[in-house]
Amino acid sequence: AQKVTQAQTEISVVEKEDVTLDCVYETRDTTYYLFWYKQPPSGELVFLIRRNSFDEQNEISGRYSWNFQKSTSSFNFTITASQVVDSAVYFCALTRGGNTGNQFYFGTGTSLTVIP
Amino acid sequence: KAGVTQTPRYLIKTRGQQVTLSCSPISGHRSVSWYQQTPGQGLQFLFEYFSETQRNKGNFPGRFSGRQFSNSRSEMNVSTLELGDSALYLCASSLVGTGGNEKLFFGSGTQLSVL
Repeated sequence: AQKVTQAQTEISVVEKEDVTLDCVYETRDTTYYLFWYKQPPSGELVFLIRRNSFDEQNEISGRYSWNFQKSTSSFNFTITASQVVDSAVYFCALTRGGNTGNQFYFGTGTSLTVIP
Repeated sequence: KAGVTQTPRYLIKTRGQQVTLSCSPISGHRSVSWYQQTPGQGLQFLFEYFSETQRNKGNFPGRFSGRQFSNSRSEMNVSTLELGDSALYLCASSLVGTGGNEKLFFGSGTQLSVL
């Protein structure tokens, strides 16, 4: 079975602090994909990043960075120098490879509040 | 290019009634998925449609159903509403939805309140 765990329910940081959102996943598949989505108050989930199971390279995009470690089944997300606009709920998700359709398994989300 | 459009944005119903939610995917996208989001359960997969056929189904009772039309637009229906059906219902589309590597594009959702 596929499962994604985001143990941090809520996080508050002061603006300009760095913050890391944790994501741990479970799957027996060898081919799978990991995603991060951001959900602002408007409700629409916004895609941030996708990573496949064969690519463990870390990625940096501006103030965002992602650390994928298969050995610990983790795909953590770090925001550097946080800003008020980063306040949102962040979801980590897993999909299966192959011709299995497009079902996403989401974690329960981490609500991030950045205090000015 | 227009995004995923869901209507209505808000809906208030009473127990026992039925409701139909609508979703128009991004032009050219053929896969449409539905998710239920609640504070307690998070985002849960309802079903996915591709070329008017249900390809995947989550673990929801038969009161939840959906369909997809030839233009890829989709509707979901909930019959005999219960208080626990109150949730944000999100629709998402993708090009073909195979291989697991396609990102989903989400609508803003329909907030359903059951009184």
